[in-house]
Amino acid sequence: QITLKESGPPLVKPTQTLTLTCTFSGFSLSTSGVGVGWIRQPPGKALEWLALIYWDDDKRYSPSLKSRLTITKDTSKDQVVLTMTNMDPVDTATYYCAHVYSNSHFDYWGQGTLVTVSS
Amino acid sequence: QSVLTQPPSVSGAPGQRVTISCTGSSSNIGAGYDVYWYQQLPGIAPKLLIYDNSNRPSGVPDRFSGSKSGTSASLAITGLQAEDEADYYCQSYDSSLSGWVFGGGTKLTVL
Repeated sequence: QITLKESGPPLVKPTQTLTLTCTFSGFSLSTSGVGVGWIRQPPGKALEWLALIYWDDDKRYSPSLKSRLTITKDTSKDQVVLTMTNMDPVDTATYYCAHVYSNSHFDYWGQGTLVTVSS
Repeated sequence: QSVLTQPPSVSGAPGQRVTISCTGSSSNIGAGYDVYWYQQLPGIAPKLLIYDNSNRPSGVPDRFSGSKSGTSASLAITGLQAEDEADYYCQSYDSSLSGWVFGGGTKLTVL
């Protein structure tokens, strides 16, 4: 059974760096073809893909946010970490991590974690 | 502005059939990339509803069906039930953006 859970601070100040951790079980990020992605959703708005990391450490980023994002993995801990620099109130959103199936879609999602950016 | 365009809202009475469209372009759906649909109930994470344009994961009722043609895709829901009231999102891959893209979401109201 695949499960994922996001963790991180619920509140960050503008200009600070956000660090989110996705802890998963039921699969290994050292297995060929496996990936984990991050998606966010501002309150009342649509889903937005942010970043994705594969088993071979290949990393993909949303072009619009690439300069602010870093995604890494710790296979020994079954974790994926996303950092986003220079946070702004418009980055207030629920952040989800998800298992990537066959390089195409997100078949298992975490419950999400709400991050509010405010001074 | 989402790369994939969906109607903001649709509605239907219990038992009726509704469709939700997802319009893309030559760099995503039109380029042959598959379309996926997610259902998001209020306050809950999205759930995969349709994969590879028209396939249902185990446990998804056959009242839900998907199709794709040209640069567009559609989600159809037959025999509407109150529990279907949710937001629905389409998703694909875009070659010009080199990334995964979502539609703006469609809110389904069961009257």
